[in-house]
Amino acid sequence: TQLLEQSPQFLSIQEGENLTVYCNSSSVFSSLQWYRQEPGEGPVLLVTVVTGGEVKKLKRLTFQFGDARKDSSLHITAAQPGDTGLYLCAGDRGSTLGRLYFGRGTQLTVWP
Amino acid sequence: DADVTQTPRNRITKTGKRIMLECSQTKGHDRMYWYRQDPGLGLRLIYYSFDVKDINKGEISDGYSVSRQAQAKFSLSLESAIPNQTALYFCATGKEGPETQYFGPGTRLLVL
Repeated sequence: TQLLEQSPQFLSIQEGENLTVYCNSSSVFSSLQWYRQEPGEGPVLLVTVVTGGEVKKLKRLTFQFGDARKDSSLHITAAQPGDTGLYLCAGDRGSTLGRLYFGRGTQLTVWP
Repeated sequence: DADVTQTPRNRITKTGKRIMLECSQTKGHDRMYWYRQDPGLGLRLIYYSFDVKDINKGEISDGYSVSRQAQAKFSLSLESAIPNQTALYFCATGKEGPETQYFGPGTRLLVL
């Protein structure tokens, strides 16, 4: 059973469109991270959220941590082809020292 | 220079062969991890280590072993490779406060 469920699994959109990726769980997390992975490379950290209700912005990307710290979302405004990649969420349960639990990822393709 | 390096980047081997994947880091982190990534299954933890004398099994450790030779080096061995171990393997380092991991570029392994 996957601790973190990501949706959608695949997303194919045109340049300029907006999109939202979701990361949900029935468990509470101390913090939650979002990573982006491009073909042939390892995941790269985009952001960490630690407070329930927290919103962080990274240029056209907006990350939100749910009030109950069980879920998170990633919203991209005016997507560009350079946003193409696999987006992974990962959570720290706090009780399991040093472990991150990863979702299965959302594969985003942005067409010019 | 990359903070987390993995060698080799690509490897083809035959069933029954013993192979070793190596990971080195210059981030100065005590925590190191080995994951495998398969399409649709996300990142799954194989082994992790919090220091040279500490080794812990992850969720899919069967068929694998590890060695933490120094703070900066963590190697993964497949004692007798089998085809279903064909996957992309990632090494990562980690720090707390909040939990954050930094990934190497990956090793693509094909077992024939």
